[in-house]
Amino acid sequence: EVQLAESGGGLVQPGRSLRLSCAASGFTFSDYAMHWVRQAPGKGLEWVSGISWNSGGIEYGDSVKGRFTLFRDNAKKSLYLQMNSLRPDDTALYYCVKDRGAALGRHKGLDVWGQGTTVTVS
Amino acid sequence: SYVLTQPPSVSVAPGKTARISCGGDNIGNKRVHWYQQKPGQAPVLVVYDDTDRPSGIPERFSGSHSGDAATLTVSMVEAGDEADYYCQVWDSSSDHVVFGGGTKLTVL
Repeated sequence: EVQLAESGGGLVQPGRSLRLSCAASGFTFSDYAMHWVRQAPGKGLEWVSGISWNSGGIEYGDSVKGRFTLFRDNAKKSLYLQMNSLRPDDTALYYCVKDRGAALGRHKGLDVWGQGTTVTVS
Repeated sequence: SYVLTQPPSVSVAPGKTARISCGGDNIGNKRVHWYQQKPGQAPVLVVYDDTDRPSGIPERFSGSHSGDAATLTVSMVEAGDEADYYCQVWDSSSDHVVFGGGTKLTVL
């Protein structure tokens, strides 16, 4: 079964850091681009960041650029999001998401979503 | 930055057809993907590349593209279709994934 399992969320004070992890199983992780998408309470979906299959392309949403760093370890089938200088408006449920394509520029839709990990900045 | 515009809400009676629009500048040049999100659950891809359905998604869900808008059509609507629906594209100008604001589908 194709699965994504996020971890690392929690309550953190403004200005502090947090690292989210995502463990993938049931598919060849190294063949696909991966993303983080977040959803603030009662709000819509917001794309945070994405990374190509080989880490050759990494992009960030405007609200997190310069504060968040996305990286992956294909050998460990894992995706990570290092979040620094956290702000109250970063409070959200963070989803790890699989792309149907391998490269960001060849994005083909987001076909597998984890259940999310909650980050609260307060 | 690129903006996708969706109506906040759409209401439809059971058995009827719901149409949810998604507008954006030159959206006809982009591939549109659609997601369904039920309360307390993660989103689910229901249409990708404008018109294609992932395996397991009923044929009642279909996508189309015309002019400056894309449309998700849900035929023979059921109570279980009540959810938030989001359209999404890749904006090659900014190299960003962009989501619409979402549309709440209410089954009357």
